[in-house]
Amino acid sequence: GAVVSQHPSWVICKSGTSVKIECRSLDFQATTMFWYRQFPKQSLMLMATSNEGSKATYEQGVEKDKFLINHASLTLSTLTVTSAHPEDSSFYICSARVPGGSTEAFFGQGTRLTVV
Amino acid sequence: AQTVTQSQPEMSVQEAETVTLSCTYDTSESNYYLFWYKQPPSRQMILVIRQEAYKQQNATENRFSVNFQKAAKSFSLKISDSQLGDTAMYFCAFSNPNYGGSQGNLIFGKGTKLSVKP
Repeated sequence: GAVVSQHPSWVICKSGTSVKIECRSLDFQATTMFWYRQFPKQSLMLMATSNEGSKATYEQGVEKDKFLINHASLTLSTLTVTSAHPEDSSFYICSARVPGGSTEAFFGQGTRLTVV
Repeated sequence: AQTVTQSQPEMSVQEAETVTLSCTYDTSESNYYLFWYKQPPSRQMILVIRQEAYKQQNATENRFSVNFQKAAKSFSLKISDSQLGDTAMYFCAFSNPNYGGSQGNLIFGKGTKLSVKP
């Protein structure tokens, strides 16, 4: 199957700093990628839909100025958590589908963010 | 709005036995997709099985099969001959291909933690 690579797999940062998470489609071009957040022992909640060459679409309740998404190329989407606070600590996962392919979503390995 | 409900937070099964995980969903759409994803301790999401709503035949993938009841909006997962490696969180998910562009995002249930005991 297609491969989605997410980096870093874990990161620790200080309160007030910004952290960037990368999501890459390695063997296909993804015009759309999705960013999810997963709290401990809970489900995945969609944060935003990342569209190549245009603004991301954020879900209700997600602060677009807090979670900056950039989809500058067909193989890379980035999520930047700005001015991070401890409550931003979570597991972040991206996914993408192969355009014109099956309905299967391919997920990155996830990034565990800890803000101290 | 679409919702996905998994009413079993945790389940356990003996190795080699069969277990069924429940999932119900709510939607007014007629065309959609349903999925079961597995999330082992590594937290990598792995597709287990998928079902297109327009197909009446239940999907099967080796030891995994579904019971899709469209009218009842039910989509259960049966795991036969359970193996220790099946221990994981299992998420039922819904996708409407008409939302999120042509790709369609996923709406997940809260998950069922399955433990396979030796």
